Amino acid sequence: DIQMTQSPSSLSASVGDRLTITCRASQSITTYLNWYQQIPGKAPKLLIYAASSLQSGVPSRFSGGGSGTDFTLTISSLQPEDFATYYCQQTYSDPITFGQGTKLEIK
Amino acid sequence: QVQLVESGGGVVQPGRSLRLSCAASGFTFSSYGMHWVRQAPGKGLEWVAVISRDGSNEHYADSVNGRFTISRDTSKNTLYLQMTSLRAEDTAVYYCAKDDLLRSGFYFFDYWGQGTLVTVSS
Repeated sequence: DIQMTQSPSSLSASVGDRLTITCRASQSITTYLNWYQQIPGKAPKLLIYAASSLQSGVPSRFSGGGSGTDFTLTISSLQPEDFATYYCQQTYSDPITFGQGTKLEIK
Repeated sequence: QVQLVESGGGVVQPGRSLRLSCAASGFTFSSYGMHWVRQAPGKGLEWVAVISRDGSNEHYADSVNGRFTISRDTSKNTLYLQMTSLRAEDTAVYYCAKDDLLRSGFYFFDYWGQGTLVTVSS
């Protein structure tokens, strides 16, 4: 199975900050990498697919990058509604696997 | 608009069975693969199972293989997860999710249900 490791596991930031979350795969997954946002008590929401494509309706302050084994999710200017947990997911091979999550909290 | 509504969760004793349902609307159900993903309390997301558009192919996580069965009824636009020999570690919120497969081969989960809680406890 492909292991997905996110860093950091949690972080504190302020409204307006720029931040980057990293996801590393245990082997190359080319760009078969998706990012989801989960607000407590809610279902995950797709943000980015194929490493860097922005899902329809998602604000442009979210961006994704990377290929192979190393990927990033960047939020250019944090908004109050962005404080949530973020997960990466690989769909390169079965079984589909998720990272452990990065919890973003308000500083 | 696309809607996925899970039902069937509840409290069940270890070793017993439970069937979850996911009612789909707002899209052509038979055109998309469907998945179950679970989330144990306070934990991350774990993919559970997938069924192909036509129901001819299924894949399972090792943790549930041989105990869980995913199925779909196109006439009812409904996805199912039959869970048997339940264990305490199966306690989780279970989400159904629709996938979208691009011609390039990339796919992702673009819609999720609100989830249904399964608690396995004596």
